[in-house]
Amino acid sequence: QQQVKQSPQSLIVQKGGISIINCAYENTAFDYFPWYQQFPGKGPALLIAIRPDVSEKKEGRFTISFNKSAKQFSLHIMDSQPGDSATYFCAASRADKIIFGKGTRLHILP
Amino acid sequence: DAMVIQNPRYQVTQFGKPVTLSCSQTLNHNVMYWYQQKSSQAPKLLFHYYDKDFNNEADTPDNFQSRRPNTSFCFLDIRSPGLGDAAMYLCATSRGDHIADTQYFGPGTRLTVL
Repeated sequence: QQQVKQSPQSLIVQKGGISIINCAYENTAFDYFPWYQQFPGKGPALLIAIRPDVSEKKEGRFTISFNKSAKQFSLHIMDSQPGDSATYFCAASRADKIIFGKGTRLHILP
Repeated sequence: DAMVIQNPRYQVTQFGKPVTLSCSQTLNHNVMYWYQQKSSQAPKLLFHYYDKDFNNEADTPDNFQSRRPNTSFCFLDIRSPGLGDAAMYLCATSRGDHIADTQYFGPGTRLTVL
């Protein structure tokens, strides 16, 4: 009930390609779904987030797609750049709880 | 312009020897959080403070305690560290009392237990 399953664990994408990371949750009480980006030696930083009343949110090259009925959401990084190489965490939260996925280590080949 | 500062960045302690990790923030946020992140695992929320109100996660071991003497500072005390407590400890802050509010993380303290 409280898990957030994230895949893949690691991802290698060519520069200019599309990076796709998927997450699935179980508890329908979650109402906020953020993605955090973490560079080595740094703490996670909020990248983009979505609420379940919309199916898609786009900010620059980053897009979240949300499927409420399937309880799945995904991060798409368009025109992936070497500077996007980092670990990405999805999360599901409500007022009193936040659960993170295990993270995806993304490497963009130059 | 560091916003969430954690000290030290690396901490080595001995099995059973109490250790304290420090977090400070310049954002004047109401909420401060402590997370434990083990290698290749998700950050796990240990507890959080909304102002002076302490909120402990149900599965946080009693070995972990926290203090928040003022708005800017929050401490994580591990009373008797075990080998299983070796991890990265992340401090975060947010403005409001909804955990879903944007959280601002510090760089973390990596704890090694010998």
